[in-house]
Amino acid sequence: KQEVTQIPAALSVPEGENLVLNCSFTDSAIYNLQWFRQDPGKGLTSLLLIQSSQREQTSGRLNASLDKSSGRSTLYIAASQPGDSATYLCAVNDYKLSFGAGTTVTVRA
Amino acid sequence: EAQVTQNPRYLITVTGKKLTVTCSQNMNHEYMSWYRQDPGLGLRQIYYSMNVEVTDKGDVPEGYKVSRKEKRNFPLILESPSPNQTSLYFCASSLSGLGDSPLHFGNGTRLTVT
Repeated sequence: KQEVTQIPAALSVPEGENLVLNCSFTDSAIYNLQWFRQDPGKGLTSLLLIQSSQREQTSGRLNASLDKSSGRSTLYIAASQPGDSATYLCAVNDYKLSFGAGTTVTVRA
Repeated sequence: EAQVTQNPRYLITVTGKKLTVTCSQNMNHEYMSWYRQDPGLGLRQIYYSMNVEVTDKGDVPEGYKVSRKEKRNFPLILESPSPNQTSLYFCASSLSGLGDSPLHFGNGTRLTVT
């Protein structure tokens, strides 16, 4: 059974600092991995989808890398802003989606 | 606007009283799914549907029913709700069930069963 872990559970940084969020998974036979953002009381918004054949994916200030062999993905958010405060979840697809518990990010102005 | 719409947003009910949470998407997506989110347990899949009239169990299907009679709608039915079904529920959809397209989520339904 796929286990997805996100450490740390919470992170607080000053505005402008780069954010590094980690996601690890136990079974490397995956099709793809998605990163989501969840704001309080809201649903999840898909940020990036990385196929298993890709090493990284970029969108604006966001960059996600994938190392299947080591079972890791990292989400980088450059020059963080208070509006980036949210919970970030990764989900691994090995025919079915398994979600991590998320990292709650607070960006202090 | 492309979206997944869930109703209601909040629901308080009593044990044993049947209820339905509706989910509709306007993106012509084939794949739809229901999740529940609980503190400390994260998101867990209840049921999913690869297309019309095709549904299957997720990780925690007990106590729930679904149907997919039309492509756009995927209601979640609790025939006899119990307090352990108190949770935050999300409906989601994607273009295909192969996981090669992003998953779009509704805004959630917070259910309380007393």
